[in-house]
Amino acid sequence: DVKVTQSSRYLVKRTGEKVFLECVQDMDHENMFWYRQDPGLGLRLIYFSYDVKMKEKGDIPEGYSVSREKKERFSLILESASTNQTSMYLCASSFPRDSNEQFFGPGTRLTVL
Amino acid sequence: DQQVKQNSPSLSVQEGRISILNCDYTNSMFDYFLWYKKYPAEGPTFLISISSIKDKNEDGRFTVFLNKSAKHLSLHIVPSQPGDSAVYFCAAPQGAQKLVFGQGTRLTINP
Repeated sequence: DVKVTQSSRYLVKRTGEKVFLECVQDMDHENMFWYRQDPGLGLRLIYFSYDVKMKEKGDIPEGYSVSREKKERFSLILESASTNQTSMYLCASSFPRDSNEQFFGPGTRLTVL
Repeated sequence: DQQVKQNSPSLSVQEGRISILNCDYTNSMFDYFLWYKKYPAEGPTFLISISSIKDKNEDGRFTVFLNKSAKHLSLHIVPSQPGDSAVYFCAAPQGAQKLVFGQGTRLTINP
């Protein structure tokens, strides 16, 4: 069965802290994605990676960076957390194909105080 | 620029009736569409899809209709059940890798 896991379900951090969100998939997918979900704004793409060590900016990359050292793992880094980064963060993975169907993890609810 | 739009933030339907969720798109190059369902504190899960070579795709209680000339698709749920209460996102592939998502519609099924 397809599985995408995220390191934390809930996280509370203080402004200025460095935050790491980890995502692991067991489906040997080439593509991995980080989104944030905010009410009324849908799912907005932060960064994605189509191969190990490869990354591309999504629609809202400011304030974030990513790392993909292994195929199964994709990390999202908030270098200096701010209150406007309080959100639900969702990781997804997929094969590169026409349907682009993505498989999502359970999400991390991050609160920055 | 929002290429996939869900203009209804919320919808309330009585149990047993039909739920109709709408989605509009602006990019005529989109040729495949997906619907995802999301419960609170969970990740979205794939629900149903449709290719532009079809105008309808059915899976049990869920049917998606595509009107290419109007750049409009809709998801019908019949009959609606309490477990259908969730946020529904429509999405379209962009390039070989990405999906473009709508803003989502929160569906509430009332007993």
